[in-house]
Amino acid sequence: GENVEQHPSTLSVQEGDSAVIKCTYSDSASNYFPWYKQELGKRPQLIIDIRSNVGEKKDQRIAVTLNKTAKHFSLHITETQPEDSAVYFCAAPLKSSGNTGKLIFGQGTTLQVKP
Amino acid sequence: KAGVTQTPRYLIKTRGQQVTLSCSPISGHRSVSWYQQTPGQGLQFLFEYFSETQRNKGNFPGRFSGRQFSNSRSEMNVSTLELGDSALYLCASSLGLRPPFFGPGTRLTVL
Repeated sequence: GENVEQHPSTLSVQEGDSAVIKCTYSDSASNYFPWYKQELGKRPQLIIDIRSNVGEKKDQRIAVTLNKTAKHFSLHITETQPEDSAVYFCAAPLKSSGNTGKLIFGQGTTLQVKP
Repeated sequence: KAGVTQTPRYLIKTRGQQVTLSCSPISGHRSVSWYQQTPGQGLQFLFEYFSETQRNKGNFPGRFSGRQFSNSRSEMNVSTLELGDSALYLCASSLGLRPPFFGPGTRLTVL
């Protein structure tokens, strides 16, 4: 069925350390994988996405990797800062069975960066 | 460009009432989708509209409905409100195959 699993549910790191969040998706037809950051009381904000024909993408301290064979994708944040503290969501579009534009979200990871 | 806007931002209703939420997408974006966010269920897809047509629908009861206008603005309606409908309702717009951008949401409280 349609499912995106995200781990861990909570993650606490020291400032300057790296953080890794992992997701697994079920729809092999999904063709892009976005990541959203949601600060308390604010909207989910798109921070990076990766296309299914790319294995890795970087944007400053953020990188995303994709393993299509294993249906895994991960978010890597290096040199974490207190302002990185937020809830992070991965998502995948349900492309099979004619569906388009329907995003299935992971359950979210609460990242806490301790100063 | 202005971002996705939603009105109202906060709403308090009582059980049995109905509510209409409004969303204005980013200029040029023709796809508008709606999501319900709750602490227990996370972000769940409600429906998606493109060129005034519902293109996708999530697993929500028929009390949840929506529509899109010719200018791409969208509304969603919830009839016969239940306590469990209390949530943050998020609208998102997208262009082509790009990921959607979210609005600030409407916080609905049902008493």
